[in-house]
Amino acid sequence: SQQGEEDPQALSIQEGENATMNCSYKTSINNLQWYRQNSGRGLVHLILIRSNEREKHSGRLRVTLDTSKKSSSLLITASRAADTASYFCATDYQGAQKLVFGQGTRLTINP
Amino acid sequence: DAGITQSPRHKVTETGTPVTLRCHQTENHRYMYWYRQDPGHGLRLIHYSYGVKDTDKGEVSDGYSVSRSKTEDFLLTLESATSSQTSVYFCAISDPGSSYEQYFGPGTRLTVT
Repeated sequence: SQQGEEDPQALSIQEGENATMNCSYKTSINNLQWYRQNSGRGLVHLILIRSNEREKHSGRLRVTLDTSKKSSSLLITASRAADTASYFCATDYQGAQKLVFGQGTRLTINP
Repeated sequence: DAGITQSPRHKVTETGTPVTLRCHQTENHRYMYWYRQDPGHGLRLIHYSYGVKDTDKGEVSDGYSVSRSKTEDFLLTLESATSSQTSVYFCAISDPGSSYEQYFGPGTRLTVT
């Protein structure tokens, strides 16, 4: 079964709005990663947050981690059409070298 | 996709035939992975390698075998392809020096008829 569960499964917003995606997991982790996948392409690493971190920023991305709730969120601010993609969280509960991916959130940015 | 190539990119084969997919990296990363991606199932790990000739099973390894005779190459073999193995297959690499962030290849779309 999947360790990470993303919510919502699909999200459609207007360009310029913020997009928030959530990830919940079941067991203790050392770090959590977020990836993006454009249609027909491989996944691209976005950001990694360690279990002792609560928030991390990278450009227009903001990731939070709440280990007490076993959840993480990915916020994309001022969305652009190019942000249209699927977003996956991945956890390392089986060991740092093995990631377990959720099923993803499909984000659509409407012009 | 830089530094990771997969071949072939597309393949159509018949049930019962053997199929080998190749992943090649130029990054000298220690770990290599094979995933399959299917609608409704996300990305699932098939096998991974933690060094030359060192491999281990993932979540969905039945019907698949792998080999790694060189650091840069990781082969995935379907001994006798079945229609349930129709999928998109991704190779990925990672290294302890990069906090195990994974870098993905462009994918191989396999159709078993």
